[in-house]
Amino acid sequence: GIQVEQSPPDLILQEGANSTLRCNFSDSVNNLQWFHQNPWGQLINLFYIPSGTKQNGRLSATTVATERYSLLYISSSQTTDSGVYFCAPHNAGNMLTFGGGTRLMVKP
Amino acid sequence: GAVVSQHPSRVICKSGTSVKIECRSLDFQATTMFWYRQFPKQSLMLMATSNEGSKATYEQGVEKDKFLINHASLTLSTLTVTSAHPEDSSFYICSAGPNRGMGSLQYFGAGTRLSVL
Repeated sequence: GIQVEQSPPDLILQEGANSTLRCNFSDSVNNLQWFHQNPWGQLINLFYIPSGTKQNGRLSATTVATERYSLLYISSSQTTDSGVYFCAPHNAGNMLTFGGGTRLMVKP
Repeated sequence: GAVVSQHPSRVICKSGTSVKIECRSLDFQATTMFWYRQFPKQSLMLMATSNEGSKATYEQGVEKDKFLINHASLTLSTLTVTSAHPEDSSFYICSAGPNRGMGSLQYFGAGTRLSVL
């Protein structure tokens, strides 16, 4: 099956800093989603992005499907951005394969 | 966006009991739903694909007799952990999407945290 690698696994930022999270995947995919998992476990959809670039406030994402990677940019980070960020390419059908996640801590 | 409701959010049970978890699509119909499991500080792993009106498809290593899945209607899938043991303690999450097409957006329930004593 498809392999998904996320980097970095852990990230500590000072409030206000910018960061880039990377997701590499081993095979062509139909689509890709980025999630933020909050401390209660809820997965929050951030982006649904098979290719190209999308922006939503301080967050943006870029997927280069031909090169099999996606990037999530967080600008002007806030303490509420803390949590785990997952990328999940769509496999055959609509099942998702999750990467290992990036655990982000934003310090005040 | 679409809403997926999962219930209960938290279960604490004794070893040997069975636990049923419900996953509902509130504002759309879903012929397919997915069940994932997440152990502490790990990623989510797909357990099974729930198919309305037919048998579920289980991933390798997931015991179908232990994790019973029923998808009896277009808005409800249930996962029953039978004879639960402490090693089954985990976070269980379901997902569904309103569109059948390949790569369509998936929405997740809030998850169920199961603790088996």
